[in-house]
Amino acid sequence: SAVISQKPSRDICQRGTSLTIQCQVDSQVTMMFWYRQQPGQSLTLIATANQGSEATYESGFVIDKFPISRPNLTFSTLTVSNMSPEDSSIYLCSASGTSGSDEQYFGPGTRLTVT
Amino acid sequence: GQNIDQPTEMTATEGAIVQINCTYQTSGFNGLFWYQQHAGEAPTFLSYNVLDGLEEKGRFSSFLSRSKGYSYLLLKELQMKDSASYLCAVRDSNYQLIWGAGTKLIIKP
Repeated sequence: SAVISQKPSRDICQRGTSLTIQCQVDSQVTMMFWYRQQPGQSLTLIATANQGSEATYESGFVIDKFPISRPNLTFSTLTVSNMSPEDSSIYLCSASGTSGSDEQYFGPGTRLTVT
Repeated sequence: GQNIDQPTEMTATEGAIVQINCTYQTSGFNGLFWYQQHAGEAPTFLSYNVLDGLEEKGRFSSFLSRSKGYSYLLLKELQMKDSASYLCAVRDSNYQLIWGAGTKLIIKP
């Protein structure tokens, strides 16, 4: 199993600013992901964080808006850049192995409010 | 495209049984997951099915029929703490998890 911590747990930010969210996993994992979840909605995958290379972004998400780093197997950051109120959401870090049966573990999430 | 369907909301009575259905159409299949998510918390893993049939784990069971693209999560002896959203997710041929919108389960005394 893996225990994932995220910080900050919540933040209120002004539009036009940027916020970096940190994700730390307590064990070495192969895959790390960043999700967004609007209240009452399901999970939307933003990108897969790749160690030592550029993240793989899903349709509708771009690196300039959501730069991601993953310098090693246990740590990743997601930056939400030039924020607008539409970016208000919960951002979740997730990790798993590569086997088909590997469950994905989730961090507690970062609740972001943009005013 | 890839699609996972679940009912938006269900209501059940404490002590009863409830079945939450999930149908899917994905590019490839490498297993189906059920997660529980309480309001304001992260999803937590409940079950994994990759072969047809029923997997039982205490009060919770999960069933899969790959030919029908169908799964259900069965919750027995419902407790108030079971009030949560239940998310169905399928791992596709790229080993990516495709998520359903979730079913909000409301338990009434």
